[in-house]
Amino acid sequence: ETGVTQSPTHLIKTRGQQVTLRCSSQSGHNTVSWYQQALGQGPQFIFQYYREEENGRGNFPPRFSGLQFPNYSSELNVNALELDDSALYLCASSGKQGIYGYTFGSGTRLTVV
Amino acid sequence: GQNIDQPTEMTATEGAIVQINCTYQTSGFNGLFWYQQHAGEAPTFLSYNVLDGLEEKGRFSSFLSRSKGYSYLLLKELQMKDSASYLCAVGGGYNKLIFGAGTRLAVHP
Repeated sequence: ETGVTQSPTHLIKTRGQQVTLRCSSQSGHNTVSWYQQALGQGPQFIFQYYREEENGRGNFPPRFSGLQFPNYSSELNVNALELDDSALYLCASSGKQGIYGYTFGSGTRLTVV
Repeated sequence: GQNIDQPTEMTATEGAIVQINCTYQTSGFNGLFWYQQHAGEAPTFLSYNVLDGLEEKGRFSSFLSRSKGYSYLLLKELQMKDSASYLCAVGGGYNKLIFGAGTRLAVHP
């Protein structure tokens, strides 16, 4: 049973650019949730995807968008990057157990300069 | 609103016991979760409480009082590898977790 994998591990982008982060869910999981974790803070919920549709969104602007594919993998896209977008982006997959069966990936460290 | 409070930092001695407190005020409640996170790594699940009382799992125990909006994580027989951040989280709507800022625990010899 494979866990949750995220790519890339680290990324440096320039303010105003666009970025795509990827997440492969754990085998048997059909839901993917994305979180942003700023340095020294707890993870903040961005949104969740289930059956290829957004199924709940946190307090993030529309320039944060996502996709889920038929194999349940997911992408997080961020447009018009700002310095404050620098953070660890975590993906968590889950199945029928929902939040009681969350598995987090190791994250993508995004630095915006 | 959503508010989850936990101490920013704690220190403890190897072999000792430490209690990390968490208070919460959230609009919904689907359980109280504790995660461990080493620097630069994924959060790993430690425990969750849905009902009031104490849940024990080896060296880790977690307590919940829903009426008081209060939980604690108890770590016994501390080891150096327990040095990490400990995240308190409340299960909210949309199958999401609402996290506190985390408590950085430093275990020293």
